[in-house]
Amino acid sequence: DAKTTQPTSMDCAEGRAANLPCNHSTISGNEYVYWYRQIHSQGPQYIIHGLKNNETNEMASLIITEDRKSSTLILPHATLRDTAVYYCIVRVATDSWGKLQFGAGTQVVVTP
Amino acid sequence: GAVVSQHPSRVICKSGTSVKIECRSLDFQATTMFWYRQFPKKSLMLMATSNEGSKATYEQGVEKDKFLINHASLTLSTLTVTSAHPEDSSFYICSAPSGTSGGNEQFFGPGTRLTVL
Repeated sequence: DAKTTQPTSMDCAEGRAANLPCNHSTISGNEYVYWYRQIHSQGPQYIIHGLKNNETNEMASLIITEDRKSSTLILPHATLRDTAVYYCIVRVATDSWGKLQFGAGTQVVVTP
Repeated sequence: GAVVSQHPSRVICKSGTSVKIECRSLDFQATTMFWYRQFPKKSLMLMATSNEGSKATYEQGVEKDKFLINHASLTLSTLTVTSAHPEDSSFYICSAPSGTSGGNEQFFGPGTRLTVL
C-alpha cells in the first residue's frame, strides 16, 4: 500500500471548517483514500473514503486532486468533540478484508 | 454502522499471568478480524489477522506463541497475552471489516487497556 504524509498537528477554532491535508504521491490506480479518526483512548472511527471523485457524508467531505497525489479532509463546522488524531490511509478496496496500516496521523485540536 | 465490542475494557494483572481479550462483532459476521496494539502517544500497530476456521497470520516481529489468537466463531475472536510482562502493557484494539460497501469499511472495537504490574 502507498505511504501517506500528514502534518503532525493542527489547531482549529470551534465552528470553523477544518481542512486536513494528506499527500499520497505514490498512490496506485486501484487504491482508495480512507480517513479514520481516533479520539483519545478509543478505537478508531471510520470517516470517509474515495477513489477519485469528491465524496461527502454526514461527517465530512473528501476532496481528491485530479492527479490523486493528494487529498483534503474537510470537517465543515468543527466542534470540540472533533478533537482527535486523524489518519489518512491508502489501500486497495478490492483487497477483501484488507488490513489497515496506520501512519502517525494529524493531531487536531479544536479550541473554543 | 456495524458495532464491534471488546471485553474487558481495562485489565490489570501480575507479571507472568495470562490475559484473554475478547472481540465480538455484534450485528454482523466477520470471517476476518484484526488485532492492533498501541503504545502511549504512538500510532496503531497491526499485530495479526485472525481468520475464522484457520490459523492467525502474524505480522513480522510479533511472537505467535506469546499472543495466541483464536477465531472461535464468525462473531468472536480472542487474543490471549501469555506470561504477560510489563512491556506488554498497551492498548489493544480489534477491528472487523463489514462488507456493506465496495470500500470494505473496518469497524473498530473500543479497545482494551492492559496494565501488567
